[in-house]
Amino acid sequence: DGGITQSPKYLFRKEGQNVTLSCEQNLNHDAMYWYRQDPGQGLRLIYYSQIVNDFQKGDIAEGYSVSREKKESFPLTVTSAQKNPTAFYLCASRILAGGPHNEQFFGPGTRLTVL
Amino acid sequence: AQSVTQLGSHVSVSEGALVLLRCNYSSSVPPYLFWYVQYPNQGLQLLLKYTSAATLVKGINGFEAEFKKSETSFHLTKPSAHMSDAAEYFCAVTPAGGSRLTFGEGTQLTVNP
Repeated sequence: DGGITQSPKYLFRKEGQNVTLSCEQNLNHDAMYWYRQDPGQGLRLIYYSQIVNDFQKGDIAEGYSVSREKKESFPLTVTSAQKNPTAFYLCASRILAGGPHNEQFFGPGTRLTVL
Repeated sequence: AQSVTQLGSHVSVSEGALVLLRCNYSSSVPPYLFWYVQYPNQGLQLLLKYTSAATLVKGINGFEAEFKKSETSFHLTKPSAHMSDAAEYFCAVTPAGGSRLTFGEGTQLTVNP
C-alpha cells in the first residue's frame, strides 16, 4: 500500500540533545512538508521541499534542520536550539503536477517529548 | 498573505443533529480550500476540497461544503451527526499558484449521545 510512514511514533529526548524524526513516502510525490502541531494552534509549517536537494523555510524553522537527499525521504532534525520542542510533528507530501489544488497526504505523526 | 479563520474552537452537537463548522478565508483572489479531519494521535485525512469546478463540494462520510465568494466562506456541514464524527477539523487554504497550505486553528467537534 502506498503511503507515508513516520518513525518513531513516540520519542523522548533529554534537554540539549538533537533528535531526528523520519519521514518516508512511497507515493512518488514531489513535494514534502513538515508541520508542528500544538494544542489550539493548528498546524504550523516548519520546512518544505519541492525537489531533491532543495528546501525552503516555513514559518517556524528556527531550531530545526532538514535534508532531501532522496525523493522519498525528508528527515527532520530537532536541534538543541529549539526552545520548546515538545509537540506533535506531522509529515506530508503531495504531487506537484496539475497545480496547487492537489491535496497534501499526511503521515501518522511523531509525538516528541522533552524530559 | 493568505489566512483562514475557523469560528469556534469547540462545537458540540447531539447525535443526529446538523453539524456546521465555520471557515472564512482572506484573499483577494479565490483560493483553493480544503477541509481535513484528525482523530486523536493520528495524521490528517482529507474530507473534501474546493478547486473552482463547483461551489458545492461533496466529500467523504456525508460531509459537504459550499464555497461562497461573496462571504469569503467555506463552511462544512453534515445533515446528521454520528458518534464517529467526533474529531478535530481543520480548514486550510492555498492561493492559486501557491505551494503551501495555511491552516486554521481547528475546531474540536463533540457528538453527544
